[in-house]
Formats: sequence, C-alpha cells, structure tokens
Amino acid sequence: GEDVEQSLFLSVREGDSSVINCTYTDSSSTYLYWYKQEPGAGLQLLTYIFSNMDMKQDQRLTVLLNKKDKHLSLRIADTQTGDSAIYFCAERGAGAGSYQLTFGKGTKLSVIP
Amino acid sequence: GAVVSQHPSWVICKSGTSVKIECRSLDFQATTMFWYRQFPKQSLMLMATSNEGSKATYEQGVEKDKFLINHASLTLSTLTVTSAHPEDSSFYICSARALAGGPNEQFFGPGTRLTVL
Repeated sequence: GEDVEQSLFLSVREGDSSVINCTYTDSSSTYLYWYKQEPGAGLQLLTYIFSNMDMKQDQRLTVLLNKKDKHLSLRIADTQTGDSAIYFCAERGAGAGSYQLTFGKGTKLSVIP
Repeated sequence: GAVVSQHPSWVICKSGTSVKIECRSLDFQATTMFWYRQFPKQSLMLMATSNEGSKATYEQGVEKDKFLINHASLTLSTLTVTSAHPEDSSFYICSARALAGGPNEQFFGPGTRLTVL
C-alpha cells in the first residue's frame, strides 16, 4: 500500500527557518497536505499543494514538491516558539471517491528560544 | 470555517464497558466521516470510513463488531467501542468531508482521549 515517511524530530532556534521533509510512494497522489498537531489536540490543516504544482507559498510557509522524486517539504520562515508541534505530511490518492488520506508518522518540531 | 466537534474530549472507563464517541460537523453537511486512531508518538491510522445512511467500511485488521460506527445524519457519526479493554486506550480522531468538493475538504475534530482501566 501507500507509504509516507518523515523524519521524527527537528530542533531549530527561534528566528531560524525550519524545513520538514516527507517522501511518499503513491505516484498517483493528487493532493499533498501538511497538518499541525499541538499536544492533546486534533489536526489543523496548514497548507496543501496540488500534485501538478512545484511550489506554494502562504505567508511564512513554503511548500516544495518534487513529483519525480516523490519528495515534499515544508519550510517555516522565522520559526517561533508557537510553531513547536508535530507536523504531519499526508497524501490523497487518485480515483473516483478517493478521499482517504495516508499520513506520515509526524515530525516533532522543537523551537529553542 | 468548517468546524468538527467531538464529544467527549476525554473519557475514562472500566474494562468491559462500552463507550460512545460522537463526531459532529457543526456548520456544514458531511456525507463522509472518517475515524482514526492515534497511538502515542504515532501517526493516524484510518479505522473506518463512514457514509451517511450506509454501512461503514472498515480497514483491514479493524474489528467491526468491536468498533461500531453509525452515521445516522449528515452532521453526526458515532463510534462505539464495545467491551473496551486497556489495549483500546488511545486517541480517537474523526474527520468530516463536506458536500462541496475541494482539495482541503476534510476537516478534523479535536480528538477524544480514551483510557480504559
């Protein structure tokens, strides 16, 4: 089946940029997502990218997609302590009615003041 | 924006009892709701897909008789953990898909923490 892989931990200093990487195996993925989960809470959609796009920028967030290598990254500029959370990469496959998401294990981002 | 609520947010129960978790879409109609389970420091594992008015579709390895899902209306789906045991302790998260299509049409609830003693 489909698989999504992420590194488990990332630690950065406040004010620096954070880059969280993700790889996936489903070549028919239509959309790829980044979610943020704070302790004890549900998932908050941060951003998404359609599979025919290379890049998407939304304020401090930049998503890069290399479809050939099936590699997705999330860059957070000027990282703040409030960005400390677990970030999940997810992909949605193709096919009529295919709305299921496959999630990675999540990357725990720790921001050092 | 689209809001999904879950009730209760946390529950502690004795082994052998049944627990019902509700998932509601507050300001939109959801034809499809998804139930996920998340173990500590793990990813979300899809348990089942629930469509309004029809039987839920369970993922491989998920016992349908243990995790009963009912999607009786376009705004409510329930997950009942029957005869719960300590190994059922987990964080259960639902998501709801709005009728209107779009890439980010799946909205997540805040989760329910279940602890079985």
